[in-house]
Amino acid sequence: DAGVTQSPTHLIKTRGQQVTLRCSPISGHKSVSWYQQVLGQGPQFIFQYYEKEERGRGNFPDRFSARQFPNYSSELNVNALLLGDSALYLCASNRGAGGQYADTQYFGPGTRLTVL
Amino acid sequence: AQTVTQSQPEMSVQEAETVTLSCTYDTSESDYYLFWYKQPPSRQMILVIRQEAYKQQNATENRFSVNFQKAAKSFSLKISDSQLGDAAMYFCAYRSEYGNKLVFGAGTILRVKS
Repeated sequence: DAGVTQSPTHLIKTRGQQVTLRCSPISGHKSVSWYQQVLGQGPQFIFQYYEKEERGRGNFPDRFSARQFPNYSSELNVNALLLGDSALYLCASNRGAGGQYADTQYFGPGTRLTVL
Repeated sequence: AQTVTQSQPEMSVQEAETVTLSCTYDTSESDYYLFWYKQPPSRQMILVIRQEAYKQQNATENRFSVNFQKAAKSFSLKISDSQLGDAAMYFCAYRSEYGNKLVFGAGTILRVKS
């Protein structure tokens, strides 16, 4: 089975622009989570979507938004980009909503966003 | 809020030797899940091993094993017979019993010398 896929691989934007990142989960996985990984740090949780509904949100400003489609793929949008948004954005998928389901999250290769 | 601490920014090990990476966490929950993920320079995050807090037995996956000390809130990873391909950044992560959010530590860079 194909793993989690993300597009694009790399992206360069300027301050104030908007960006959309895309993620396709593993077949059969209904949950998608987004993480931001700044260079030299561990990933920080941004969002989780399950069955097209937001199930969790991290401590990120409203400039960050996401959605999930009927085929369970997901998009992460970031508006009014700041230099500090430069990071590796990781998408992870798993079967359930979380909680006692206890299933593992599998990560995609990430999208490297550079804001100039 | 839960926190995860990895106190070793960098570790080195000789090929075929054993190395242990440390992780401590803070939580008030009694049931939760702990993970070790590996991130090579290619940056794909790969699951190494997982541990359910309600299980007393330490998890093992081939050359990888953990030492889970619930009372001490400690979760260390032991890599036996280290190989060059083990060189990567290793992240310890915590997940609550409820919810899907992973809380990661800052990571430990593992270098393997031939």
